[in-house]
Amino acid sequence: AQSVTQPDIHITVSEGASLELRCNYSYGATPYLFWYVQSPGQGLQLLLKYFSGDTLVQGIKGFEAEFKRSQSSFNLRKPSVHWSDAAEYFCAVDPGGYQKVTFGTGTKLQVIP
Amino acid sequence: DGGITQSPKYLFRKEGQNVTLSCEQNLNHDAMYWYRQDPGQGLRLIYYSQIVNDFQKGDIAEGYSVSREKKESFPLTVTSAQKNPTAFYLCASSPKQAGVETDTQYFGPGTRLTVL
Repeated sequence: AQSVTQPDIHITVSEGASLELRCNYSYGATPYLFWYVQSPGQGLQLLLKYFSGDTLVQGIKGFEAEFKRSQSSFNLRKPSVHWSDAAEYFCAVDPGGYQKVTFGTGTKLQVIP
Repeated sequence: DGGITQSPKYLFRKEGQNVTLSCEQNLNHDAMYWYRQDPGQGLRLIYYSQIVNDFQKGDIAEGYSVSREKKESFPLTVTSAQKNPTAFYLCASSPKQAGVETDTQYFGPGTRLTVL
């Protein structure tokens, strides 16, 4: 069965600093990959997704993610964090077909002035 | 406006009572999902449905039941058999049809259930 690891439970960054959130997956083939963001008490919003093609994916709110097959990683990045980016971020893996999506345990981002 | 609605936003239940959480979508999506979210555990799949009148158990289906009588509705019942039902429940839908490899899931705003 596939698994998703987000090794950082909490991350604190200063406003204006760069951000990288890590996501590693375990799966035999290349799955479909997603990043979602969740504000407190809200549902999840899709930031970006990777299905195939260019391994650098652009998303909403200035986020991007890079798929690295050799490292089984799909890290999320943002060059300059804004206070409104404070939220919880989830990586998700979909093996495709009729298999289920697996979500990571999330990384909570705190932004300090 | 197209989207997914969940009601109520907050729900309180006494132990031993069944309770039903509503999920409606007007996106014309075929597939719908129920997830449970607990702190530090991410999202865990309870049930999913890829077509009307059909649904499958997810990873933690015990103590829950669903129905899919209409394409736009996928209510979740938390029964008294669920040992620890206090959690945040998220409904999602996707256009994914049978034979389609993958598709994006769109989430509702969630219902927080508290058992008193």
